Amino acid sequence: GAVVSQHPSWVICKSGTSVKIECRSLDFQATTMFWYRQFPKQSLMLMATSNEGSKATYEQGVEKDKFLINHASLTLSTLTVTSAHPEDSSFYICSARVSSGKETQYFGPGTRLLVL
Amino acid sequence: AQSVAQPEDQVNVAEGNPLTVKCTYSVSGNPYLFWYVQYPNRGLQFLLKYITGDNLVKGSYGFEAEFNKSQTSFHLKKPSALVSDSALYFCATLPYSSASKIIFGSGTRLSIRP
Repeated sequence: GAVVSQHPSWVICKSGTSVKIECRSLDFQATTMFWYRQFPKQSLMLMATSNEGSKATYEQGVEKDKFLINHASLTLSTLTVTSAHPEDSSFYICSARVSSGKETQYFGPGTRLLVL
Repeated sequence: AQSVAQPEDQVNVAEGNPLTVKCTYSVSGNPYLFWYVQYPNRGLQFLLKYITGDNLVKGSYGFEAEFNKSQTSFHLKKPSALVSDSALYFCATLPYSSASKIIFGSGTRLSIRP
């Protein structure tokens, strides 16, 4: 149980285009989902916290107009990187927390974005 | 400030030997502590957690961790390492239940040689 999926797993795009990444909790409901960014050989950097039905809370230094987050249902959150640039190339990981109040976060497999 | 520290960037162990990956925490109140493992180009997989109760927590793949309040540590251990255990390991804490954001350590790369 507690499986989180991400789609796509890899994406290559041209500079200036927008890319949408989906995060789904497959076998549980998640009131809260998190989006992280990970640079090579570094730990995860929290970008934003997404609660179902409300606006995401962004961490300091993360541009909310650049990284659009939508959490429309208890099983789906999306991250859209708008007008992507090469510096946005990174490994993006989502996680979801079970709605029942348990504290464990379950992570998706990650999406590697390469902007040319 | 709430934090977790992983003092070793890399740990090298021979297959079959016991392994320890260190983690110390600095959290006010009673901490929730976690270990996650990350394989190359993959997301994090949950290994185990401590919330309350027995200080020795058993998790996936034969791993266990011991919560030590006096030393503020939560070291990850395994009695006999496998080459397949080679990965990046993250210690994490959730300072308060449900409302707060999980805080990750910097990660420790575990390398098991045959």
